[in-house]
Amino acid sequence: DAGVIQSPRHEVTEMGQEVTLRCKPISGHNSLFWYRQTMMRGLELLIYFNNNVPIDDSGMPEDRFSAKMPNASFSTLKIQPSEPRDSAVYFCATGAGTGVTDTQYFGPGTRLTVL
Amino acid sequence: EDKVVQSPLSLVVHEGDTVTLNCSYEVTNFRSLLWYKQEKKAPTFLFMLTSSGIEKKSGRLSSILDKKELSSILNITATQTGDSAIYLCAVIDSGYALNFGKGTSLLVTP
Repeated sequence: DAGVIQSPRHEVTEMGQEVTLRCKPISGHNSLFWYRQTMMRGLELLIYFNNNVPIDDSGMPEDRFSAKMPNASFSTLKIQPSEPRDSAVYFCATGAGTGVTDTQYFGPGTRLTVL
Repeated sequence: EDKVVQSPLSLVVHEGDTVTLNCSYEVTNFRSLLWYKQEKKAPTFLFMLTSSGIEKKSGRLSSILDKKELSSILNITATQTGDSAIYLCAVIDSGYALNFGKGTSLLVTP
């Protein structure tokens, strides 16, 4: 298996632009998580899905952030409009199980820089 | 307030030394505690500890969960330069998500 696939790996954009991050989970995994990592705040959970349904989005910082999972093999995290403080590494992680995932496997991350 | 606190924040040791990393947590309805190693990329899974599996070992790495003290330690014996990384502790409570600590940055010098 190829593992969790994220794209792009690096994104540099200007403030105000829309950014879309993509994630392809490991086949058969039914839980998907979006995390953000910064030096100041460490790893933070933004949102997670189970069987394509958003379960908890309380970590999404504000309305500029949105996430979708239209099917079991694809998820997106969108930031519109982007701001410099959104600069971070965004990880997608997935797990298998009956809704309770105790081991999560991380993708390589997308390093986002907003100028 | 942080639910998961790791210590020390950073550590420098010489190759061959033994190190102990600490993780304490405060969550309701504890489910499990996980240790991850993060180098210059994504975290990679090391161990998962639960009420039914409070001690794990893999090679030079071992971990113990103390449910009474709400803490866990990660031991690395005979450290090597390849052990240099950030070690992350995460706890799962009644929800699905991982609550991460800030990590311990370990540097092993030759």
